[in-house]
Amino acid sequence: QKEVEQNSGPLSVPEGAIASLNCTYSDRGSQSFFWYRQYSGKSPELIMFIYSNGDKEDGRFTAQLNKASQYVSLLIRDSQPSDSATYLCAVLVWDSSYKLIFGSGTRLLVRP
Amino acid sequence: DAGVIQSPRHEVTEMGQEVTLRCKPISGHDYLFWYRQTMMRGLELLIYFNNNVPIDDSGMPEDRFSAKMPNASFSTLKIQPSEPRDSAVYFCASLDRGRGVTEAFFGQGTRLTVV
Repeated sequence: QKEVEQNSGPLSVPEGAIASLNCTYSDRGSQSFFWYRQYSGKSPELIMFIYSNGDKEDGRFTAQLNKASQYVSLLIRDSQPSDSATYLCAVLVWDSSYKLIFGSGTRLLVRP
Repeated sequence: DAGVIQSPRHEVTEMGQEVTLRCKPISGHDYLFWYRQTMMRGLELLIYFNNNVPIDDSGMPEDRFSAKMPNASFSTLKIQPSEPRDSAVYFCASLDRGRGVTEAFFGQGTRLTVV
């Protein structure tokens, strides 16, 4: 079992819709959780991080964390074609030092 | 700070040749990670350092891969000898854990093609 799992997609949504991206992780020592966006040919860039159970909102983006279920999600409201990219879930795990592990990413397509 | 700097941006080499990828982390960051990204396997963690010390190299695929961090401002990933299956984008990222929850900053990546 991979440590961080994501559906590879593609997830296709119409412009203006809500896109829901999901991620599960296996290590209960996971402490912080990140969502990165990666455009084709570019390096990943951080969208949001979350480390407490519940929701965290930033503009059109909401991250949700449920540590009991080992589940993290990212909601994108009012999706735009410019949101089309690969979204990477990352987990910071403590194991005598910190280790940052990524999922394989979910490709999101927003149709105009 | 200019961010994480990787060089070269692109590398094309022949099978069997030695390849060295370079990374300059953000000043003051205490963690440095090397990743390899392919379509099939996504972003794989190869090795990471804390305060210049290698912590976990279990992600290094074979003995042909080695990494060093001789000081806080420089790290190398070496492949010797290189093989076509090593073709991928290699990313370096640095993180400052001392400031609490914070993000890992990525370099622009090195696109390696082994022919």
